Amino acid sequence: SAVISQKPSRDICQRGTSLTIQCQVDSQVTMMFWYRQQPGQSLTLIATANQGSEATYESGFVIDKFPISRPNLTFSTLTVSNLSPEDSSIYLCSVEAKIVWTSGGASINEQFFGPGTRLTVL
Amino acid sequence: LAKTTQPISMDSYEGQEVNITCSHNNIATNDYITWYQQFPSQGPRFIIQGYKTKVTNEVASLFIPADRKSSTLSLPRVSLSDTAVYYCLVGPNSGGYQKVTFGTGTKLQVIP
Repeated sequence: SAVISQKPSRDICQRGTSLTIQCQVDSQVTMMFWYRQQPGQSLTLIATANQGSEATYESGFVIDKFPISRPNLTFSTLTVSNLSPEDSSIYLCSVEAKIVWTSGGASINEQFFGPGTRLTVL
Repeated sequence: LAKTTQPISMDSYEGQEVNITCSHNNIATNDYITWYQQFPSQGPRFIIQGYKTKVTNEVASLFIPADRKSSTLSLPRVSLSDTAVYYCLVGPNSGGYQKVTFGTGTKLQVIP
């Protein structure tokens, strides 16, 4: 399994400022993922963070607004820039790990999620 | 990734068995079916994954018919602590690194 922590757990920010969210994993992982979950909604993938290369962004998300760093295999940051009230949301990071759990030895790829960072923009 | 459709919400009394069905008509041959559970103020948590027939673990059972166009998550004897949102996802599990696409989820409310 993988244990993921995020900082901060929540923050209240002013319009026009930026917030950087940190994600720390207790084991080395190749890819980390950043999601956004707006109040009462499902999760939307923002980008995939690769160690040593540029992040891959999903449609509707751009690097200027959501710059991502991935300096090593256990850590990533997501910055939400030029904040507006529409950015108020929960931001989650996740990793994928191979877990062998079936009696026949078959493995699955399970995603582990951090607890999320609740951002409120005034 | 195949699109999934599931009920938006369900209510159940404590102690009852709950079955949540998910439709995935466009499931591909190499797609697996995975269910996640999310409590308020927490990230989603993996429950169960399967490819065909039936899979059971200590938390739930997953029933998948032969045509794989739907699946049913079964929670035995639910308790209040099972109140959560349950997401059905369909996608490849090839040993590579898949990004997970979440649908709308089913909000389960367990009633005393």
